[in-house]
Amino acid sequence: GQQLNQSPQSMFIQEGEDVSMNCTSSSIFNTWLWYKQDPGEGPVLLIALYKAGELTSNGRLTAQFGITRKDSFLNISASIPSDVGIYFCAGPIYGGSQGNLIFGKGTKLSVKP
Amino acid sequence: EAQVTQNPRYLITVTGKKLTVTCSQNMNHEYMSWYRQDPGLGLRQIYYSMNVEVTDKGDVPEGYKVSRKEKRNFPLILESPSPNQTSLYFCASSLSPPPSEQFFGPGTRLTVL
Repeated sequence: GQQLNQSPQSMFIQEGEDVSMNCTSSSIFNTWLWYKQDPGEGPVLLIALYKAGELTSNGRLTAQFGITRKDSFLNISASIPSDVGIYFCAGPIYGGSQGNLIFGKGTKLSVKP
Repeated sequence: EAQVTQNPRYLITVTGKKLTVTCSQNMNHEYMSWYRQDPGLGLRQIYYSMNVEVTDKGDVPEGYKVSRKEKRNFPLILESPSPNQTSLYFCASSLSPPPSEQFFGPGTRLTVL
């Protein structure tokens, strides 16, 4: 089946550093979603991307929809301790059943104060 | 308060003993979905429902059943649980199917001995 590959799997950074992570697929996606899961909680939507090449920001977060429609990137600027968590990319399967949503395996972010 | 609730939050059971995990939302959402989260595997969709009496399989439906008799409730049923169903389970709902923003419940941690 279709898969979303996230990289890196985990990151250990110092507070104040910028963070970059990405999500790739061998298949085309029409929408890219980025969710964050705080420890012990359910995921929460951060950013949704609907168009190839789109660049969208949400505070210190910026995400881009790759022009090939097979990848997406999430950047976090000036990280702070509350950025700790697992970041997931997700998307509805193109050409698949409406309602079927797949997630990447996540990038786990740790921030050292 | 708008929310998705799951019960129980924690459950330890034995192989073969039928169990139900309840999920309820108070946002009048049409779409609901169940996921399981396992270390290194991210979130995988089990079943989803587009509306009352409309359910469909996700990526890992084996060993699970669901029903959607009312709009607000979407229980997950394990008729004969096995140890490989030990996992963290999340219910989610959204106004419409993906890519609409999904709101996740707090999770149910299930251990099958």
